[in-house]
Amino acid sequence: GQQLNQSPQSMFIQEGEDVSMNCTSSSIFNTWLWYKQDPGEGPVLLIALYKAGELTSNGRLTAQFGITRKDSFLNISASIPSDVGIYFCAGQSSGTYKYIFGTGTRLKVLA
Amino acid sequence: DTGVSQDPRHKITKRGQNVTFRCDPISEHNRLYWYRQTLGQGPEFLTYFQNEAQLEKSRLLSDRFSAERPKGSFSTLEIQRTEQGDSAMYLCASSLIGPGGELFFGEGSRLTVL
Repeated sequence: GQQLNQSPQSMFIQEGEDVSMNCTSSSIFNTWLWYKQDPGEGPVLLIALYKAGELTSNGRLTAQFGITRKDSFLNISASIPSDVGIYFCAGQSSGTYKYIFGTGTRLKVLA
Repeated sequence: DTGVSQDPRHKITKRGQNVTFRCDPISEHNRLYWYRQTLGQGPEFLTYFQNEAQLEKSRLLSDRFSAERPKGSFSTLEIQRTEQGDSAMYLCASSLIGPGGELFFGEGSRLTVL
């Protein structure tokens, strides 16, 4: 099935560091969602973006809807051990209500 | 708990058997989605319903797969004649109607086909 490209695929960081990841598509999207998934669990919604250029925060997390509408970015500031997990982006284009998910960024935080 | 509920959480079956998964969405949500996720991959879209109508199906949903939402509330996903390649986590999500409706996922049903 179709999946969006996420980068990086995985990252190991020290506790307290900031993290940046992105998601790119060949298609234009109207909505971007960012999720975190722990092993054996369903994805949990972190942030939703609805307009090009929009910047939205949720605590230490900040996400941006790219101006081209073909990409989105997620930043985590001052990472903590519980930030460990897999982060997925998801995009929705016009004419459909399905979401296409990214390949995921696996984050590991070293205490 | 008023979140999305999936049952069973785990299912182990032998190749060739039929399995059925149930999803109860958040009560006021009109849209219900099924996704499949294999190890190391993101969720892949299978199908979605708006109320009781199945509006879109992926090519991944072969003729061995059938999904229903008979009264616009809970949904079932049945896999007939299971194959080892069907082993995956089956995720259900629901959303409110309207553009950009955010998806809220259940805990998933993990299927292992021996």
